[in-house]
Amino acid sequence: AQSVTQLDSQVPVFEEAPVELRCNYSSSVSVYLFWYVQYPNQGLQLLLKYLSGSTLVKGINGFEAEFNKSQTSFHLRKPSVHISDTAEYFCAVNNQGGKLIFGQGTELSVKP
Amino acid sequence: DAEITQSPRHKITETGRQVTLACHQTWNHNNMFWYRQDLGHGLRLIHYSYGVQDTNKGEVSDGYSVSRSNTEDLPLTLESAASSQTSVYFCASSSGSSYNEQFFGPGTRLTVL
Repeated sequence: AQSVTQLDSQVPVFEEAPVELRCNYSSSVSVYLFWYVQYPNQGLQLLLKYLSGSTLVKGINGFEAEFNKSQTSFHLRKPSVHISDTAEYFCAVNNQGGKLIFGQGTELSVKP
Repeated sequence: DAEITQSPRHKITETGRQVTLACHQTWNHNNMFWYRQDLGHGLRLIHYSYGVQDTNKGEVSDGYSVSRSNTEDLPLTLESAASSQTSVYFCASSSGSSYNEQFFGPGTRLTVL
């Protein structure tokens, strides 16, 4: 069965510092990969997705992610974070069956 | 603008009562999903539907049921609410292709006392 592991449950970082949120997945078949963000008391919204092609994917709010097939990873990065980036971030994989398998989430806390 | 809505946004109920959470989408999407979100577990799939009259069990379906009588709605019913079902519930929808993103509703916070 497929699974998604987010290696850090909480990531504290200072404003304007770079950040990387790590995500590993297990799958023996082609997958589609997603990062979602959840702001407090809200639903999830899509940050970016990898379907095929270039392994570096750019998303909204200055985030990007790199797909690494050999390491089965899809880490999310931002070169300089803002207070407004404080949220929970979820990595997810879609196995072509239309269903998403989510990681446990990473709480990003940006401090002034 | 198309959207996905959930009601109620907050609900408190007692153990043993039947509860129905509503989900309505105006995207005209074929696929609809129900998740629950609990600390440390991320989002877990409860039930999903690929179209009218189609329903399928997810990984945590025990104690829940859904029905799909039209494209727009997928209500989630807790037949006899239990304290373990206290959670935040999210509905989502997507178009038919697997590479398309899911759009999420704002969530329903359910407390079972």
